[in-house]
Amino acid sequence: SQTIHQWPATLVQPVGSPLSLECTVEGTSNPNLYWYRQAAGRGLQLLFYSVGIGQISSEVPQNLSASRPQDRQFILSSKKLLLSDSGFYLCAWSPIRGETQYFGPGTRLLVL
Amino acid sequence: DQQVKQNSPSLSVQEGRISILNCDYTNSMFDYFLWYKKYPAEGPTFLISISSIKDKNEDGRFTVFLNKSAKHLSLHIVPSQPGDSAVYFCAASEDAGKSTFGDGTTLTVKP
Repeated sequence: SQTIHQWPATLVQPVGSPLSLECTVEGTSNPNLYWYRQAAGRGLQLLFYSVGIGQISSEVPQNLSASRPQDRQFILSSKKLLLSDSGFYLCAWSPIRGETQYFGPGTRLLVL
Repeated sequence: DQQVKQNSPSLSVQEGRISILNCDYTNSMFDYFLWYKKYPAEGPTFLISISSIKDKNEDGRFTVFLNKSAKHLSLHIVPSQPGDSAVYFCAASEDAGKSTFGDGTTLTVKP
């Protein structure tokens, strides 16, 4: 069966510090991968999605970036965090050409 | 411009009664619609979906209705149970794998 892992579960970082969140998927090959952010009381905002290694599409301009160094690994990064980067970050995967997405447990990021 | 809207931020229902969650969309190219359920501090989980070629899909206590002419879909939960209390997200897709989500509706089912 397929599983998706995200870490860390919770992170508190000072403004201006770097960020690296990691997501890995097991039990499937060549998945589509996604990064979402859920701000407090809001819906899911798609940040990045990837259909293959090294292929990243950005949905919104921001100081975040994403990379996919391996087929089942998706990394969300920032060089300098802003207060507005606080939120709940979710990684998800879907089968290639599949509509249903399967979400990880999420990372709660608090930037102080 | 928000393409998927859930106009009710919250809904409260008595246990055993019907819960109806609504979702409207503006993009006529959407051809697949999904509902996800989310508990606090967890990732959303897939609940039920419907293709644009259908107007109804049922799975146990959950039924999704699609009205393409009105660009409206709804999720019915019958009977509602306290464990159904969660945030429900509506999502729509025009490109396999990439979905647009609504802001969610918080359902509270009172015992």
